[in-house]
Amino acid sequence: AQTVTQSQPEMSVQEAETVTLSCTYDTSESDYYLFWYKQPPSRQMILVIRQEAYKQQNATENRFSVNFQKAAKSFSLKISDSQLGDAAMYFCAYRPLYGGATNKLIFGTGTLLAVQP
Amino acid sequence: DVKVTQSSRYLVKRTGEKVFLECVQDMDHENMFWYRQDPGLGLRLIYFSYDVKMKEKGDIPEGYSVSREKKERFSLILESASTNQTSMYLCASSLLQENSYEQYFGPGTRLTVT
Repeated sequence: AQTVTQSQPEMSVQEAETVTLSCTYDTSESDYYLFWYKQPPSRQMILVIRQEAYKQQNATENRFSVNFQKAAKSFSLKISDSQLGDAAMYFCAYRPLYGGATNKLIFGTGTLLAVQP
Repeated sequence: DVKVTQSSRYLVKRTGEKVFLECVQDMDHENMFWYRQDPGLGLRLIYFSYDVKMKEKGDIPEGYSVSREKKERFSLILESASTNQTSMYLCASSLLQENSYEQYFGPGTRLTVT
């Protein structure tokens, strides 16, 4: 069975600094998607960034980028120039590429990120 | 903008009560999901539905049932609420496509069972 592990329950970063959130996963599949979702306090969860396992290039979305290490089954999220609005719970998630159209995701346990002014 | 709404943000119920949590999406998505979110456990899938009247069990279906009579609406039912069902409940929806990866989430319902 596939599993997703986030080993950092909480992280803290100073405003304008860079922080990296860790995620590891276990799967026997060779093709899959990986995601980072953000859940701000009392607000809806939104997709931050995704990575297709068959792509070697690391995904980037503005200040958010990933370090995808397929052999190591590692998928970390780097937030550059951290802003107060980045404070949230961050979830790493996995989906096999050929998992069927039902699009079921497997989530990690989350990392709560605090941003200090 | 995709919108997923849930009927209540906060709900307090008594043990043994029948509880209905409602979710509505306005993007004509085929897939709908109910998750339970608990500290240290992340999101766990309770049930999902890929079409009207179709449902499949997720990882923790015990104590729950669901109903999908219309495409836009997916209800989670706690037949007899228990204190261990106190939790945050999240609804999500997505397209029914192989390459459709994003799930859109509602704001959540924080349920307390006393």
